[in-house]
Amino acid sequence: AAGVIQSPRHLIKEKRETATLKCYPIPRHDTVYWYQQGPGQDPQFLISFYEKMQSDKGSIPDRFSAQQFSDYHSELNMSSLELGDSALYFCASSLVWGTSSYNEQFFGPGTRLTVL
Amino acid sequence: KQEVTQIPAALSVPEGENLVLNCSFTDSAIYNLQWFRQDPGKGLTSLLLIQSSQREQTSGRLNASLDKSSGRSTLYIAASQPGDSATYLCALSSNSGYALNFGKGTSLLVTP
Repeated sequence: AAGVIQSPRHLIKEKRETATLKCYPIPRHDTVYWYQQGPGQDPQFLISFYEKMQSDKGSIPDRFSAQQFSDYHSELNMSSLELGDSALYFCASSLVWGTSSYNEQFFGPGTRLTVL
Repeated sequence: KQEVTQIPAALSVPEGENLVLNCSFTDSAIYNLQWFRQDPGKGLTSLLLIQSSQREQTSGRLNASLDKSSGRSTLYIAASQPGDSATYLCALSSNSGYALNFGKGTSLLVTP
């Protein structure tokens, strides 16, 4: 079965640089979520999109932005990177309005961002 | 804000033992609860999802229960195997938004 695809898998950036992370949800899923997991921490919700519209916002810094495109893939844009942005970034997708899905979220393998 | 607590933080058991991982939460207005497995540096694998109206779900050697009134969920693993070694995370979504709120996980080590 198709899973959530994230690219790149690893990314190394310098402080103050920008980074773009990409997510391709499971086909026919209508909702995409972004989470950040710092070293030794639990995942923290950043932002979500339902049918290409922002649906919920968590602890996403103002330096970050995201969008979902017409083909349902999503991108997380991160500017003015700081050392503290080093983390695993997960994308998840779900089918909110389905007969039996109950919004089960399926996670991608993550992008490991290292800021030097 | 929903607070999710997992106890114990770490657990080491010999192979073959049955074990229980605990998850407690402060707000019973949940939409669903998911248990995940995470291997070091890897992604999250969904193990079980319990809807707010359900009491338990089973998959193979795993059984998860939900008691909203007491704000508790348990993950029961039968006949543990070394391959079960991983961090197990409990996560809940609420009726007001579907983002998951995670506990800090239980790190499980099953020794041969």
